[in-house]
Amino acid sequence: DVKVTQSSRYLVKRTGEKVFLECVQDMDHENMFWYRQDPGLGLRLIYFSYDVKMKEKGDIPEGYSVSREKKERFSLILESASTNQTSMYLCASSGRMFEQFFGPGTRLTVL
Amino acid sequence: GESVGLHLPTLSVQEGDNSIINCAYSNSASDYFIWYKQESGKGPQFIIDIRSNMDKRQGQRVTVLLNKTVKHLSLQIAATQPGDSAVYFCAENTSGGGTSYGKLTFGQGTILTVHP
Repeated sequence: DVKVTQSSRYLVKRTGEKVFLECVQDMDHENMFWYRQDPGLGLRLIYFSYDVKMKEKGDIPEGYSVSREKKERFSLILESASTNQTSMYLCASSGRMFEQFFGPGTRLTVL
Repeated sequence: GESVGLHLPTLSVQEGDNSIINCAYSNSASDYFIWYKQESGKGPQFIIDIRSNMDKRQGQRVTVLLNKTVKHLSLQIAATQPGDSAVYFCAENTSGGGTSYGKLTFGQGTILTVHP
């Protein structure tokens, strides 16, 4: 059974903290994605990666960075968390087909 | 930029009824469409997909219809059950090749509520 896992289901951080969200997939997929999901706004793409050490900005990259050192792992980094980054963060991966497989999400609260 | 949108943000139906969830897209170059279901507290899950060279595709209790003339996509759920209650998203891909390969643009979502 294919699986995308995220390091935390719930996370509470303080303003200014550096935050790491980890995502691991076991499907040997080339592509990995980070989205944030907010009520009424759907899923918005933050960053994606189509290969190890490669990354592309999505629609809302400001305030975020990513790292992909290994094919199975894609990390989202909030260098200095702010309250407007309180959101649900979803990781996904895809292979040669367009279907994306999603993790369960991390609900991040920044106080 | 171009985006995918939904006509109805909420839909309430009775158990056993058929449900229709609609989606409008604006990018005529999109060649692949996908429907996802997201239950509370979970990530989106694949339901069904369709390529632009098709008008209709059927799965188990679900049918996706694509009307390229009016850029409209719909998801039909037959004999809707309480377990179908969720948020449904449509998404599109515009295969421009290169680093855009694999990107999906998502709509805002429709909340489906099924009453027993």
